[in-house]
Amino acid sequence: AQSVTQLDSHVSVSEGTPVLLRCNYSSSYSPSLFWYVQHPNKGLQLLLKYTSAATLVKGINGFEAEFKKSETSFHLTKPSAHMSDAAEYFCVVSPTSGGYQKVTFGTGTKLQVIP
Amino acid sequence: ETGVTQTPRHLVMGMTNKKSLKCEQHLGHNAMYWYKQSAKKPLELMFVYNFKEQTENNSVPSRFSPECPNSSHLFLHLHTLQPEDSALYLCASSQDASGRWAKTQYFGPGTRLLVL
Repeated sequence: AQSVTQLDSHVSVSEGTPVLLRCNYSSSYSPSLFWYVQHPNKGLQLLLKYTSAATLVKGINGFEAEFKKSETSFHLTKPSAHMSDAAEYFCVVSPTSGGYQKVTFGTGTKLQVIP
Repeated sequence: ETGVTQTPRHLVMGMTNKKSLKCEQHLGHNAMYWYKQSAKKPLELMFVYNFKEQTENNSVPSRFSPECPNSSHLFLHLHTLQPEDSALYLCASSQDASGRWAKTQYFGPGTRLLVL
């Protein structure tokens, strides 16, 4: 069984300040983990993914996430928020057990960036 | 963004209508997916096709009928829908849907469906 929990449904930051979006997962196997972003009226776009290589993963637009197995976390961070970062962010987990990998999406975190 | 396209972008239909959603991917992928995105609910996987074979039907009601004629096209046929089926329907594709590590999925912009 697997699950993913996004701890905050809404996060509000000022432009230029750091962003932290939290994600905890549960998986019976070593997981693949992803962060996607969805801007209004758009599909989901991949920000970054973890698949057992380096635990600190760098993605697009200055985002990065750190896989912490001991804490079962995969939090998304960015040093300085831009107005264009305002969107909804989804954490996704998939087990690695062979065969078709069923992905589980979190409920999403809406990021508001205040000018 | 143009790797996966969906048509129509918006659809309004009555409960007795029959309509189809279309998805096309231009990425050379072998797996395609349908998801339902409702307000305040997690994204729900509906169907998965891997090399044109359906590998996942996530307990979806029979009023939703998928079709995958080739690896580049995916359809979702709709009939006698209910108002609670109103949602954003997202299509995605990936290199394939097998192997140990999950492949990255690339999403289309979605079809916003309203059932009256």
